[in-house]
Amino acid sequence: DAKTTQPTSMDCAEGRAANLPCNHSTISGNEYVYWYRQIHSQGPQYIIHGLKNNETNEMASLIITEDRKSSTLILPHATLRDTAVYYCIVRVARGNEKLTFGTGTRLTIIP
Amino acid sequence: GAVVSQHPSRVICKSGTSVKIECRSLDFQATTMFWYRQFPKKSLMLMATSNEGSKATYEQGVEKDKFLINHASLTLSTLTVTSAHPEDSSFYICSATGTSLSSSYNEQFFGPGTRLTVL
Repeated sequence: DAKTTQPTSMDCAEGRAANLPCNHSTISGNEYVYWYRQIHSQGPQYIIHGLKNNETNEMASLIITEDRKSSTLILPHATLRDTAVYYCIVRVARGNEKLTFGTGTRLTIIP
Repeated sequence: GAVVSQHPSRVICKSGTSVKIECRSLDFQATTMFWYRQFPKKSLMLMATSNEGSKATYEQGVEKDKFLINHASLTLSTLTVTSAHPEDSSFYICSATGTSLSSSYNEQFFGPGTRLTVL
């Protein structure tokens, strides 16, 4: 799996959009960008994934740059329940491929 | 998304005893399951990958005789920590991927985790 780089921590005001960046400059052509988050003392939760087009679901939006070397996860209206560690992972889109977790970004939503 | 459960959620045991943790996929067939370990304030570290009906593949540095993994059915995998010691105290998390009646999943779905404390 390609390595990713994320800021260690970020704060965001409740109700505002939270933008979490991720650098993956060595991503391969067949690797997708996946985002998971882990709320304290729980298992990780899948958020979204994409290859090169921007993606949106009920949880978040994923913006991938044209050169695919970086991406941004957007939580449009952050709530206190969005406080968690967010992990950006690149891997091929095969279910039995393992996930390699980095240190992630600790996002704190401020009331 | 698909649902994965783990049991127990917490367990405390004495040093030298064995502990079994169950991981179940509730609404899909889990052809592949993964076991992770997470120490406080650290990231998840993959311990092993198991495919239904096959022996598990362990990551480097993980003792296969200490962490026994069984994936005997498409909905159940178990992790047994044998002869547990205090340094085995950790948060153990499983994940699964596979197929349901309507979907074939590329993402992994995680269980809620099991906190093991060895006294």
